[in-house]
Amino acid sequence: ETGVTQTPRHLVMGMTNKKSLKCEQHLGHNAMYWYKQSAKKPLELMFVYNFKEQTENNSVPSRFSPECPNSSHLFLHLHTLQPEDSALYLCASSQVLDNEQFFGPGTRLTVL
Amino acid sequence: QKEVEQNSGPLSVPEGAIASLNCTYSDRGSQSFFWYRQYSGKSPELIMSIYSNGDKEDGRFTAQLNKASQYVSLLIRDSQPSDSATYLCALRPAVGAGSYQLTFGKGTKLSVIP
Repeated sequence: ETGVTQTPRHLVMGMTNKKSLKCEQHLGHNAMYWYKQSAKKPLELMFVYNFKEQTENNSVPSRFSPECPNSSHLFLHLHTLQPEDSALYLCASSQVLDNEQFFGPGTRLTVL
Repeated sequence: QKEVEQNSGPLSVPEGAIASLNCTYSDRGSQSFFWYRQYSGKSPELIMSIYSNGDKEDGRFTAQLNKASQYVSLLIRDSQPSDSATYLCALRPAVGAGSYQLTFGKGTKLSVIP
């Protein structure tokens, strides 16, 4: 049971494709996050939004482009990805920035 | 550089035993510590948080924090096969810019043998 949903759950794309990942939280939270989880590596924070404003971009390549139209929705737009970008992309939300974070189920991305 | 170190495992314990998961960290100013459980193919789920030295118990789970020695541990009593998962240690640094960011360890895989 989760208040954070993500679509699609699985995505296979070529290096020249453009796709978007979607996250929606139903918890009334104000902060949302994108994380990347690669095999045998720790969860890596990519982007942080607080009240729709981006507060953090952890040196993420420009081929990843986030969008936060409102406090409930978060997108990650993907273009010209590389095979090493294949990973589990997790969305999370929290009431405010320093509160506990709740994760969505993730999107398993494979770049061919 | 903030680092969180965990033994990747797998840690195998028999059903009913106590599982002990350990985590050390490098940032002495870290203030908040969390344990997440992640089942294979699923997302992380927060199971414990601890902010002050000592023990914190919640059901079969006990988190232990020792800031002087810079370690935090998670004990699972009466381990069940359903506890088999990867356990992620995470921390939040001291108050300041970016202090809301969580730094995660790679996780310890726990296997409870029936």
